[in-house]
Amino acid sequence: QKEVEQNSGPLSVPEGAIASLNCTYSDRGSQSFFWYRQYSGKSPELIMFIYSNGDKEDGRFTAQLNKASQYVSLLIRDSQPSDSATYLCAVGAGGFKTIFGAGTRLFVKA
Amino acid sequence: NAGVMQNPRHLVRRRGQEARLRCSPMKGHSHVYWYRQLPEEGLKFMVYLQKENIIDESGMPKERFSAEFPKEGPSILRIQQVVRGDSAAYFCASSPRSGIDNEQFFGPGTRLTVL
Repeated sequence: QKEVEQNSGPLSVPEGAIASLNCTYSDRGSQSFFWYRQYSGKSPELIMFIYSNGDKEDGRFTAQLNKASQYVSLLIRDSQPSDSATYLCAVGAGGFKTIFGAGTRLFVKA
Repeated sequence: NAGVMQNPRHLVRRRGQEARLRCSPMKGHSHVYWYRQLPEEGLKFMVYLQKENIIDESGMPKERFSAEFPKEGPSILRIQQVVRGDSAAYFCASSPRSGIDNEQFFGPGTRLTVL
């Protein structure tokens, strides 16, 4: 079982729709959760982080965490073509290591 | 405030040569992480360093790879006797702190090609 799992996609949504990206993790001791966006050929950029169960909103982005289910998600409202990228889920398992998922490719159709 | 700097951005080496990748963290950041990314794959953790100390190198191959973060100057990832399988993008990230809130900020990466 992979430590951090994401659906590789591609996930295709029309412009203006809500994109929902999901991530599961295996280590129950994980304490911190991050979402990064990576455009093709570029470096990852941090979008959001979340540490507590529940929702955290930042503009068009909402991160949701359910530690009991070992599940974290990212919702993107009013999706734009410029949101088309690979979204990486990352989990801090305590200690110093951050484990990244393989990413979900999102394609927003104009 | 400059972001994380990496150089060179592109590096071509022949099999058996050495590759040196440099990373200057953001100002005020003393925590550095190195990752490797193969095409269409996620980031694989290699090593975590603080100034002058290797904290976690559990992702580093046991041979040919080494990393340092001296008191002065950039962090260096060194790959000796490169092989074709070392071809990848190598990203450095820095953080102002460790612990659960260690948001990491990434540099532009070094794309290593081994001929």
